[in-house]
Amino acid sequence: DVKVTQSSRYLVKRTGEKVFLECVQDMDHENMFWYRQDPGLGLRLIYFSYDVKMKEKGDIPEGYSVSREKKERFSLILESASTNQTSMYLCASSSTVKYGYTFGSGTRLTVV
Amino acid sequence: AQTVTQSQPEMSVQEAETVTLSCTYDTSESDYYLFWYKQPPSRQMILVIRQEAYKQQNATENRFSVNFQKAAKSFSLKISDSQLGDAAMYFCAYRSPNNNDMRFGAGTRLTVKP
Repeated sequence: DVKVTQSSRYLVKRTGEKVFLECVQDMDHENMFWYRQDPGLGLRLIYFSYDVKMKEKGDIPEGYSVSREKKERFSLILESASTNQTSMYLCASSSTVKYGYTFGSGTRLTVV
Repeated sequence: AQTVTQSQPEMSVQEAETVTLSCTYDTSESDYYLFWYKQPPSRQMILVIRQEAYKQQNATENRFSVNFQKAAKSFSLKISDSQLGDAAMYFCAYRSPNNNDMRFGAGTRLTVKP
């Protein structure tokens, strides 16, 4: 069964900590995405990557960075976590644009 | 940038009945892809149905079907014979052939009453 795996289901971090959210896919997809999901706002794109070492900013990149050193792994980094980054984070991957995404099961991050 | 609007934050339906979830979008493109995703309490986003804009025929997947009105930029999801397992958040999404990313609506929470 094809998968997108997010390393943590729940995380609690302190303000100012550096936080790493990891995502791994086993489908050899070129494209990988990080979204943030908040009630009433739907899913908002933080960053995406269309190839190894390539990245593009989404709609809300401020306070985040990403890393893609290998095709199967796409990491989201919160350089200095803040309480307004408390949210659900969803990773996704896809091949061509005509198909939808395959999503991970999400990481619920709480910053205290 | 394209926008996707789901005007119904919450909907409810009686088990075995039919419900329609609304979605509209804004685009200047003629070719694109539309999707409905389901997110149950487990949080796993599941693709429900997909429509290619150049195809006039409405997509159907078992109890799920869409009413795609290209001129009106409308893409509603009809769930027939609703089941308790259909209770979830439903997201409408738009994907351009020119961009890699997908645009999502705010979601509709569907409750199914036994």
